[in-house]
Amino acid sequence: SQTIHQWPATLVQPVGSPLSLECTVEGTSNPNLYWYRQAAGRGLQLLFYSVGIGQISSEVPQNLSASRPQDRQFILSSKKLLLSDSGFYLCAWSSGVVRPEAFFGQGTRLTVV
Amino acid sequence: AQSVAQPEDQVNVAEGNPLTVKCTYSVSGNPYLFWYVQYPNRGLQFLLKYITGDNLVKGSYGFEAEFNKSQTSFHLKKPSALVSDSALYFCAVRDMGRNTPLVFGKGTRLSVIA
Repeated sequence: SQTIHQWPATLVQPVGSPLSLECTVEGTSNPNLYWYRQAAGRGLQLLFYSVGIGQISSEVPQNLSASRPQDRQFILSSKKLLLSDSGFYLCAWSSGVVRPEAFFGQGTRLTVV
Repeated sequence: AQSVAQPEDQVNVAEGNPLTVKCTYSVSGNPYLFWYVQYPNRGLQFLLKYITGDNLVKGSYGFEAEFNKSQTSFHLKKPSALVSDSALYFCAVRDMGRNTPLVFGKGTRLSVIA
């Protein structure tokens, strides 16, 4: 079966510090991978998605970047965090036509102070 | 471009009564449609999906949803609500192309009152 791991669960970082959130998927190959951000317990904003290694699409200009160094690894980064980067970050994966639904990690609660 | 509208921020229903959470969508081609549920400080859990076939799809925990192409709607329903159904519900759409991401609505908070 497929599983998705996202860590850490919570993170408190000072303004101006770097960020690295990691997400890995097991039990599938060549998944589509996604990073979403959820503010104040409401809607999901798509930040990045990737259809393959090294292929990253950015949906919204951000103080953030994403990388996919391996097939089942997706990393969200920032060189210098802003207060407005605080939120709940969710990684997800999906694959193909037969199973087009996305499956989510447990999320990372980021607080920038 | 794809989009989803969930017109209600909040839905309140008494335990044992039927519930409906509304969703309308816009997509250029044929849609894949989904419902997810989120409990506090957790990731989203998949409930059900529509790909093709019967317009009424059944999912987890007794939930079902009805696809209406003419009204571009995909409302979530349950015949008898439970207090434990109280959560945040998201509708999502994806175009029938492998490399398109899911687009989510802003969510509807469901409160089931005992």
